[in-house]
Amino acid sequence: AQKVTQAQTEISVVEKEDVTLDCVYETRDTTYYLFWYKQPPSGELVFLIRRNSFDEQNEISGRYSWNFQKSTSSFNFTITASQVVDSAVYFCALSEKRGGATNKLIFGTGTLLAVQP
Amino acid sequence: SQTIHQWPATLVQPVGSPLSLECTVEGTSNPNLYWYRQAAGRGLQLLFYSVGIGQISSEVPQNLSASRPQDRQFILSSKKLLLSDSGFYLCAWSVGGNTIYFGEGSWLTVV
Repeated sequence: AQKVTQAQTEISVVEKEDVTLDCVYETRDTTYYLFWYKQPPSGELVFLIRRNSFDEQNEISGRYSWNFQKSTSSFNFTITASQVVDSAVYFCALSEKRGGATNKLIFGTGTLLAVQP
Repeated sequence: SQTIHQWPATLVQPVGSPLSLECTVEGTSNPNLYWYRQAAGRGLQLLFYSVGIGQISSEVPQNLSASRPQDRQFILSSKKLLLSDSGFYLCAWSVGGNTIYFGEGSWLTVV
């Protein structure tokens, strides 16, 4: 069965520190997608990144970077030089095909990141 | 560009009362539509998804139902709310098997 584990429930850092959020997944599918979403206090889920299972190239977007390693079934997310505005709950998710072209997202339980000024 | 709206943003309802949450998507045609619920403790659970008008698939048995009367409209309903229906409800959309984008969410408190 598909499963996503985010072992870090809460992380607290001081502004400008680097922080890595861990994500480990389980799936029997050979083709799948992995996602990260950010949920600020307002509640809306903001899409950050999608990674195809065939693409293990790491990605960098500004202060954000993602490390996808199929060998360890991990898709970790690093924020460099964290800022107070990065404070949010971060969700890792795995896609599962459902009926035709739909995707069901299997979410981890989320990691609450608190960046202190 | 595509946008998604859902309302109301906040709702306080007594036990046994009906519920209607509405979601509309703009800027795309024939989207896949989803209703997720986030209960206390942050877990996100898929409730319903729809690949077309009138086509609804339920993921978990529950007190809720969904309908899709128009291509870009998705409605979450209940005839009689339970205390356990309280939570944060998120509508979402995707085109085909691509990225799922979420709405602003609706906070439901059943008292």
